[in-house]
Amino acid sequence: RKEVEQDPGPFNVPEGATVAFNCTYSNSASQSFFWYRQDCRKEPKLLMSVYSSGNEDGRFTAQLNRASQYISLLIRDSKLSDSATYLCVVNDDMGRRALTFGSGTRLQVQP
Amino acid sequence: DADVTQTPRNRITKTGKRIMLECSQTKGHDRMYWYRQDPGLGLRLIYYSFDVKDINKGEISDGYSVSRQAQAKFSLSLESAIPNQTALYFCATSDWPQNEQFFGPGTRLTVL
Repeated sequence: RKEVEQDPGPFNVPEGATVAFNCTYSNSASQSFFWYRQDCRKEPKLLMSVYSSGNEDGRFTAQLNRASQYISLLIRDSKLSDSATYLCVVNDDMGRRALTFGSGTRLQVQP
Repeated sequence: DADVTQTPRNRITKTGKRIMLECSQTKGHDRMYWYRQDPGLGLRLIYYSFDVKDINKGEISDGYSVSRQAQAKFSLSLESAIPNQTALYFCATSDWPQNEQFFGPGTRLTVL
């Protein structure tokens, strides 16, 4: 079983739609969680960290469910510019190990 | 100027050649990483270094070696390149405890 699993998609949604991605992780001792965004042939960039209480940044909401070991990303009012691959990232052992990346979920927002 | 730079950006080489990919950063971070990315497999960690005297193998270190020449420089070597090492290679840096990783623009390597 992969340490971090994501549905590869693609998710094809119209502009203005709400879309949600889930990600599951296998290590119950995982301490910190992130969503990264990667545009085609570009480097990944941090979208947002995921806190235990959940957090929101504009149209983006991230949530953590430790009991079920998954994190989610909700995008409201999708824009064409949201088209990208979204990487779920998990860190164990309080940062003593490097981050573990999921293989990503591809989102295509259509006009 | 970019905070994390990689050279070369593109490289085509032949099987058996020795290749070095270089990474430099101006962020002042202690931690540096090398990943490769293949379609459908996501980012896989090759090596990482938490300070100048620290080198750790990642999940796919076979066939690769690294050198941490200074806090700002971390190079990846392929001693004898083979075609299945064709991939997009990323260098990244991070600080502690923030742990956000900042990536370089990537090196596209093709081994014929």
